[in-house]
Amino acid sequence: EADIYQTPRYLVIGTGKKITLECSQTMGHDKMYWYQQDPGMELHLIHYSYGVNSTEKGDLSSESTVSRIRTEHFPLTLESARPSHTSQYLCASSASEGSPLHFGNGTRLTVT
Amino acid sequence: AQSVTQLDSQVPVFEEAPVELRCNYSSSVSVYLFWYVQYPNQGLQLLLKYLSGSTLVKGINGFEAEFNKSQTSFHLRKPSVHISDTAEYFCAVSPTYNNNDMRFGAGTRLTVKP
Repeated sequence: EADIYQTPRYLVIGTGKKITLECSQTMGHDKMYWYQQDPGMELHLIHYSYGVNSTEKGDLSSESTVSRIRTEHFPLTLESARPSHTSQYLCASSASEGSPLHFGNGTRLTVT
Repeated sequence: AQSVTQLDSQVPVFEEAPVELRCNYSSSVSVYLFWYVQYPNQGLQLLLKYLSGSTLVKGINGFEAEFNKSQTSFHLRKPSVHISDTAEYFCAVSPTYNNNDMRFGAGTRLTVKP
């Protein structure tokens, strides 16, 4: 049962386009995350948020930006998509330290 | 910083056989440990977690894992697998003070054959 929703599920877009990947959660969690997942690789944290108006970059350099204007919403934006951005993007949330992450079903992005 | 090594990238096994997916970690601080499962075209779901207490942790779908502090391992086991267990399994570790530093292994693809 998905309490965290990502749209779109799949996106194919041309180089140079601006895109926003949506993520919403209904659990009231303060902490939210964006991970990048490539086959055979560990998940890499690209952004996280402690709560409203709080955003931080993760350990993977990324040309994306995020915002957290509402607790339930944590969109990720790419101003100018490139083929190197082709990947799966996973959004997650957690209640507190030690709590497991709850993941959305992901957005698979292909940039041509 | 923490790191996680999943020792097998692929594990093929026949239905009803036992399976063990191996996970080693390194950390200079106290950690929480997790196993997640990812079915095709889905996000990750929590299988089980170790926070403290008993080193044998039971999770969903008949899986269990044992925390071994001296060997810094957290291997996942199931005594009898089903076709439906075919999926990617990820081991993860985070410091007890900071979920933002959760590190994932590269995953183990479990394929259960009839």
